[in-house]
Amino acid sequence: GEDVEQSLFLSVREGDSSVINCTYTDSSSTYLYWYKQEPGAGLQLLTYIFSNMDMKQDQRLTVLLNKKDKHLSLRIADTQTGDSAIYFCAERRSLRGGATNKLIFGTGTLLAVQP
Amino acid sequence: SQTIHQWPATLVQPVGSPLSLECTVEGTSNPNLYWYRQAAGRGLQLLFYSVGIGQISSEVPQNLSASRPQDRQFILSSKKLLLSDSGFYLCAWSVQWLNSYNEQFFGPGTRLTVL
Repeated sequence: GEDVEQSLFLSVREGDSSVINCTYTDSSSTYLYWYKQEPGAGLQLLTYIFSNMDMKQDQRLTVLLNKKDKHLSLRIADTQTGDSAIYFCAERRSLRGGATNKLIFGTGTLLAVQP
Repeated sequence: SQTIHQWPATLVQPVGSPLSLECTVEGTSNPNLYWYRQAAGRGLQLLFYSVGIGQISSEVPQNLSASRPQDRQFILSSKKLLLSDSGFYLCAWSVQWLNSYNEQFFGPGTRLTVL
């Protein structure tokens, strides 16, 4: 099916690392994304990774991609209370002969950061 | 810079009433436009997308319809709301041409409760 799987909830202490996991479905997906949703707000792109990469680091964020297992993870170093939000992974698929793309989103992981 | 607006921010409607949600984009021309729904405990699901004025594609069969009367205006409608239409509706846009990672930019969302 089209389901992208994520665990629903993660709780960490401020200053610790957070690891949010995602399993996607389409091995031909070219790009995989992590979006952040703060309470009552829309989604904001945090980072993305191209499918020919294993790892991407962007300041406190590290994305790991295991194509064989179709597993994606997001590590947040030195997690802060401002990182509390819902995190969505998404895989990209082409629509309409490549004219545009569709994002298949996971259910989202609620990250709660305890002070 | 580009911005995306959605209104209303929240809406409570009785079953069987009509619906009209509006999304407008500023600062760009000929964008791809998308409507997503986030139901409670679920990921985001793509409902409609549009690659041009008057061009609407539906991803899932449902009680809703979409229209694009102007280049940067995308409207989500229903003639008669169902309880199952409750959710958080997000509008998004992306550039028309496929750049490297083709980010989708999301609006602030409309929370719809059907009673």
